[in-house]
Formats: sequence, structure tokens, C-alpha cells
Amino acid sequence: GIQVEQSPPDLILQEGANSTLRCNFSDSVNNLQWFHQNPWGQLINLFYIPSGTKQNGRLSATTVATERYSLLYISSSQTTDSGVYFCAVISNFGNEKLTFGTGTRLTIIP
Amino acid sequence: DAGITQSPRHKVTETGTPVTLRCHQTENHRYMYWYRQDPGHGLRLIHYSYGVKDTDKGEVSDGYSVSRSKTEDFLLTLESATSSQTSVYFCAIRVQGHYGYTFGSGTRLTVV
Repeated sequence: GIQVEQSPPDLILQEGANSTLRCNFSDSVNNLQWFHQNPWGQLINLFYIPSGTKQNGRLSATTVATERYSLLYISSSQTTDSGVYFCAVISNFGNEKLTFGTGTRLTIIP
Repeated sequence: DAGITQSPRHKVTETGTPVTLRCHQTENHRYMYWYRQDPGHGLRLIHYSYGVKDTDKGEVSDGYSVSRSKTEDFLLTLESATSSQTSVYFCAIRVQGHYGYTFGSGTRLTVV
């Protein structure tokens, strides 16, 4: 099946810093999602972005489908941004199976 | 927002016993999913459903079965629980019309 790799695995930043999280995938996709899992375990869908760029407040995401990667940008980090960020994809042959990467754990220090 | 609830929220069970987890949605979304989350593995797909009585296996389906007799309910059964099935289980729905997903709050299952 499709492989999804995220980097870095861990990231520790001061409040106010910017960050870039990366997601690489091994096959062509028709669906790519970014999720945030907060410290209480709740998973929140951030973006649906199989290609192109989207922005939502301090968060933005870019997917370059031809090169099989996606980036999540977080600007002016706040402590509430802490948690684990997951990328998840459905390959063009994936029959609606949403496959997750292993995540990036982000810790924002006040 | 699409309503999705999982029950129970926590369960401790003994090795060898059957266990059923329930996922309930309040709308008529077609796709429903069961994942397990373990340290170092992210979320791994167990089974998913694309309609009533229509299900398919994910990457870690051994030891699990599912049923969907009504659109709103998706049941996950551990036929004979083992310690390796100690995990946090998440249900998800694909929200029709905008390509997003909503996750339940999770069920923490401990097999002793």
C-alpha cells in the first residue's frame, strides 16, 4: 500500500515562532488531509488539500502532487498549537482507504 | 458539525473475551471507519464501510470483525481479545459534500 512519511517526528518551539511540517507520500493521491490531535486526544480536520495551497488563519498548507509531498505551515505559534499533526492520504488506487503518517509532535513553549 | 459518538469511552476486559465497540452518527454519511492508535504507529485502519452491509478490510484487520446493519451504526468486534489489542480505537466518518472527516472521541481499551 501507499507509504506516508512525516518529518520531523518531534519539534519544540518558543511561542511566536514559525514552523514547517512535511509529508511525503509514495504514490499518486486523490485525497490529502491534515489533522491536529490535541493533548486530550481529539482529532480535528485542518485541511483537505490534494493539490495547491490553502490558508486558514495562521495555518496554511501546500501540496505539490507531482512531487508527492505536502507542507503544513504554522505561523506565530501559540501554546494551543501543541499536539500531534497527521497527514493522511488516499491513493488513486486506494478505494477510499485513508492512510495516516506517523505524525509530527509539536510542543510550543511559553 | 456531523455528530459522532463512540461507546464505551473506556473498557477493561480479560484476554479471550469478545468485545464490541459502537460508533454512532446522527446523520446519513455513507463512509465510516475504525482506526486504532498505538505509540509509534500513528493511526492504522482496521475496517471501513461504504454503506449498509458493505465493508472492507484495512491494514490491521486480523482479529477484528465489523457490522453495519443501519446507516447510523458501525460496530467493531474483537472476537477473542488479546493483549496486543490494547489500544485507543477511533471511529471516523467522511462528511459528504466537502471531503472532510470527523472523528469520535475514542475508546481506550485495555486487555488484561
